[in-house]
Amino acid sequence: KNEVEQSPQNLTAQEGEFITINCSYSVGISALHWLQQHPGGGIVSLFMLSSGKKKHGRLIATINIQEKHSSLHITASHPRDSAVYICAVVGNEKLTFGTGTRLTIIP
Amino acid sequence: DAGVIQSPRHEVTEMGQEVTLRCKPISGHNSLFWYRQTMMRGLELLIYFNNNVPIDDSGMPEDRFSAKMPNASFSTLKIQPSEPRDSAVYFCASSALWVGETQYFGPGTRLLVL
Repeated sequence: KNEVEQSPQNLTAQEGEFITINCSYSVGISALHWLQQHPGGGIVSLFMLSSGKKKHGRLIATINIQEKHSSLHITASHPRDSAVYICAVVGNEKLTFGTGTRLTIIP
Repeated sequence: DAGVIQSPRHEVTEMGQEVTLRCKPISGHNSLFWYRQTMMRGLELLIYFNNNVPIDDSGMPEDRFSAKMPNASFSTLKIQPSEPRDSAVYFCASSALWVGETQYFGPGTRLLVL
C-alpha cells in the first residue's frame, strides 16, 4: 500500500463544476504540498499546508491532521485548470508523492 | 528572478554514455531538490541538499547516479553509465529553507537514452 493515496486517479468535469481531489496518507507528517503539472510538463507549487485551510483564487486546500487527509477544491472550474494535481507529504524530512489526479475540464 | 534554471532542456544519448544535468537554484534559496518523473513511477525525489549538503539521497536509484552541489548556485546530477531505463524527465527545484516549504520547479530536462 502506498503511503500517499490520491483519489480519483482521473476526473473529467464540465466547465463551472466544483472539483474535489483527495489525498490520504498513512504516516505522520509535518507538511503537505499540492502541486500542479500542466500538459506541457511544467510543475507549479500550489499550496504548502501544515494545518487548517488555505485559499488562493479559486483554489482551496484543506488538511485534517488527525484524519491524515487533505483535499484540494477548485470552484468554478475552467478548461485551463486541466492538469495533473499531485499531493506530496513531508515526514521526517522525507518527501513522498501521490500518483497524481488527472483533471480534465470540458468547455 | 529568473527562477530555477536547468540545462540542457533535452538530451538524447546512447546507452553507456555519461550524462550530466545542471541546475541553478533561485538565488538565496538554501534547499535544492532533484526529481525524476516517469510514466510508470510518477514523480520521485532522488536527492535533496540543504546548504549544499546532501540531506537525503535515499531516492538515488543506484551507484550510477551521483549528485553534487559545489556551491549555493549550482548543482549537477550525473548518470554514468546511462541506461535506457534512465529515460525520464528530471526536475530540479529549490526552496527558501527546507523540504517543508514551497518549492519552485525548473522546467525539467527530458532525457532519452537509446
